[in-house]
Amino acid sequence: ETGVTQTPRHLVMGMTNKKSLKCEQHLGHNAMYWYKQSAKKPLELMFVYSLEERVENNSVPSRFSPECPNSSHLFLHLHTLQPEDSALYLCASSQGIDGYTFGSGTRLTVV
Amino acid sequence: AQTVTQSQPEMSVQEAETVTLSCTYDTSESDYYLFWYKQPPSRQMILVIRQEAYKQQNATENRFSVNFQKAAKSFSLKISDSQLGDAAMYFCAYRSAFGGATNKLIFGTGTLLAVQP
Repeated sequence: ETGVTQTPRHLVMGMTNKKSLKCEQHLGHNAMYWYKQSAKKPLELMFVYSLEERVENNSVPSRFSPECPNSSHLFLHLHTLQPEDSALYLCASSQGIDGYTFGSGTRLTVV
Repeated sequence: AQTVTQSQPEMSVQEAETVTLSCTYDTSESDYYLFWYKQPPSRQMILVIRQEAYKQQNATENRFSVNFQKAAKSFSLKISDSQLGDAAMYFCAYRSAFGGATNKLIFGTGTLLAVQP
């Protein structure tokens, strides 16, 4: 365990469902990130939060909605997803210009 | 925009042998950071080693070392005395030194390393 915890570890949801992914860090980091990891593609940055403020949204569809209620928690709310949204969703945190600390990810399957 | 290229989708090495994973990147910046991450089947991305571009000395972390060639924009990872636990996907990543926390890590597509007993 690296200090970044993601839940759930696995999630299967229908296209009409609403679910949320949770990420938690107690490392004192001031930035948090959501990445999407699909097979045979580079990791795609979805959202960046710095000091609880969203500073980047990489043209992510509105069916993905992030929330950062405090510096330790990050959520990704999901609704009306498509099968192509099935992927591993990774959360990470960082402090300053150092490398990221990642969670173990949530394996999402949309059916 | 910066890009990171890993040209070896898969590599294989015998246990106790040495293997080198390649990475090249493209940037117009002079100051940046380079990283190698390991992602085992457990899925957790683990930082293996980092290199600051302003440092000429190659970073070393136990059995892991890098060959950083700034002019050639090359950043290869050497794993010595390979162990079965080294089997994983390895990602090379770039991060600008400017802009603070909003600077994202830019990843390559990864190299899947198999270690043969």
